[in-house]
Amino acid sequence: QVQLKESGPGLVQPSQTLSLTCTVSGFSLTSYNVHWVRQPPGKGLEWMGRMRYNGDTSYNSALKSRLSISRDTSKNQVFLKMNSLQTDDTGTYYCTREAGLGGAWYFDYWGQGVMVTVSS
Amino acid sequence: DVQMTQSPSYLAASPGESVSISCKASKSINTYLAWYQEKPGKTNKLLIYSGSTLQSGTPSRFSGSGSGTDFTLTIRSLEPEDFAVYYCQQHNEYPLTFGSGTKLEIK
Repeated sequence: QVQLKESGPGLVQPSQTLSLTCTVSGFSLTSYNVHWVRQPPGKGLEWMGRMRYNGDTSYNSALKSRLSISRDTSKNQVFLKMNSLQTDDTGTYYCTREAGLGGAWYFDYWGQGVMVTVSS
Repeated sequence: DVQMTQSPSYLAASPGESVSISCKASKSINTYLAWYQEKPGKTNKLLIYSGSTLQSGTPSRFSGSGSGTDFTLTIRSLEPEDFAVYYCQQHNEYPLTFGSGTKLEIK
């Protein structure tokens, strides 16, 4: 069955770099797009960026200067790196699968999310 | 960016009742709106996409309507498992944007 699982450090110091891994199973990264979405505590969801099935990436312009998404298809993993973290980057980070390849742009599977706290 | 305004932010209802949640876009998104359900300890669940198309497995008591800027999620005859947080998301253009959520609680 389709699964996505986020992993990474729960605590990051301000100004440091966040590195998260999304490990997927039940589908191929060369057949589906994977996105990252985050949610600050008590707030709504924010789309961060995506890794397309062909390796292309796109980012939310609000985060583009700090964000990088990459993948290792042999390990079924998608990676998120975001630098210059500040306290308002605290929140739960999700990886999600886009439903199909025909420009669906909505998500049929989500990971459980990983909570990241930015604090010294 | 398309701003999504969801209301109400909190809703209390009893099992068996029907409820509606509104989602308004700051500009036309055609019919490209999705609805998700969030429950503690579970992954987010896609309920509806393209405004009114039920995702496979979504019970028929859920329905979505609307086009342009105004959309509604309706849940008829609430079941105990429906009490959750609901989010809308426009899938018309990038960046994809979400509503702020509606928490549906048992009255």
